[in-house]
Amino acid sequence: GENVEQHPSTLSVQEGDSAVIKCTYSDSASNYFPWYKQELGKRPQLIIDIRSNVGEKKDQRIAVTLNKTAKHFSLHITETQPEDSAVYFCAAKEGYSSASKIIFGSGTRLSIRP
Amino acid sequence: KAGVTQTPRYLIKTRGQQVTLSCSPISGHRSVSWYQQTPGQGLQFLFEYFSETQRNKGNFPGRFSGRQFSNSRSEMNVSTLELGDSALYLCASSFREATSTDTQYFGPGTRLTVL
Repeated sequence: GENVEQHPSTLSVQEGDSAVIKCTYSDSASNYFPWYKQELGKRPQLIIDIRSNVGEKKDQRIAVTLNKTAKHFSLHITETQPEDSAVYFCAAKEGYSSASKIIFGSGTRLSIRP
Repeated sequence: KAGVTQTPRYLIKTRGQQVTLSCSPISGHRSVSWYQQTPGQGLQFLFEYFSETQRNKGNFPGRFSGRQFSNSRSEMNVSTLELGDSALYLCASSFREATSTDTQYFGPGTRLTVL
């Protein structure tokens, strides 16, 4: 089955700087990679996703890149703001199986320093 | 459109007891997935139900079970509770099966504490 590893587990950046979170996956057939943001005490919410036929996707200050050959994908947040402080989870959907499921990484706690 | 709701929000149980958690998906969504969230372990997949059928199951013991009703509401049951079952239990709904790439919308979770 799929295995997703996420790094770093904690990340602290100065407000205005960029933050990068990286994930690797094991199932080469995986074809869908969502990213979730979970603020303290709140539910996870989808912030961006990418499908395996796309290499990069942007949404304002957030971008995700996918390297299928290396089996890794990354979340990039530019011009970080205090409201970006949260735990971020990457995930990968096992591909080509009727019994596939979405496997989550262990999360990255991002802190934005004022 | 109302979001995913879960009841109860908080539960305190003792070892050996059983517990039932409930999840009401977004109207029109037919898939409900359950996850266990613990510090340092991220979100661990428990199972997914679609149109009242269990589509998939994670690596949890048989003490964890679930079901889905015709109105897509889902319940999760944990029997013979252990201390290690203390966690935030999240459900997520989507329109189609989780094998599609439909967005999953999470509920607020049920915080279970086992004493």
